[in-house]
Amino acid sequence: GENVEQHPSTLSVQEGDSAVIKCTYSDSASNYFPWYKQELGKRPQLIIDIRSNVGEKKDQRIAVTLNKTAKHFSLHITETQPEDSAVYFCAASMTNFGNEKLTFGTGTRLTIIP
Amino acid sequence: DGGITQSPKYLFRKEGQNVTLSCEQNLNHDAMYWYRQDPGQGLRLIYYSQIVNDFQKGDIAEGYSVSREKKESFPLTVTSAQKNPTAFYLCASSGQGGGQETQYFGPGTRLLVL
Repeated sequence: GENVEQHPSTLSVQEGDSAVIKCTYSDSASNYFPWYKQELGKRPQLIIDIRSNVGEKKDQRIAVTLNKTAKHFSLHITETQPEDSAVYFCAASMTNFGNEKLTFGTGTRLTIIP
Repeated sequence: DGGITQSPKYLFRKEGQNVTLSCEQNLNHDAMYWYRQDPGQGLRLIYYSQIVNDFQKGDIAEGYSVSREKKESFPLTVTSAQKNPTAFYLCASSGQGGGQETQYFGPGTRLLVL
């Protein structure tokens, strides 16, 4: 089955600086890669996702890059703000009809230092 | 994700007792999922269902059971066979294929053992 590794487990950055979180996956058939943000005691919320036919996707201060050859994808947050502090999870799945299981990484606790 | 509800928010289980966690969605999603989250860890898949009256085991199904009698509902029972049930339980739902694979999460149920 799929295995997703996520690094680093904790990350502290100064407010206004950029943060990068990296994930690798094992199954070359995986073609859908979402990123979730989870605040303390709350539900995970989708912040951005990318499909394997695209190498990069941006949404305001957030971007995701995908390298299919190396089987890794990364989350980039620019101009970080205190409200970016949370745990971030990457995930991977193979989206064939009837098989959309997500495999999650172990999470990165991001702390923005004011 | 406002269309997914879970109840109760907190649940206490006595030793030897079975307890049932509720998950309801009004998003007309075919697929529903149950995850377990332990402190400082990622989400692990317990069971999932892609159509009414059908469900499959995830990575950690032992000690749990589910049913899918209605499209809107996917209850999870934590049985007495689950020896370490204390965790945060998250339900999710999604469409299937064609760009509908994004999973949306409910607010979660925190299960504690007395």
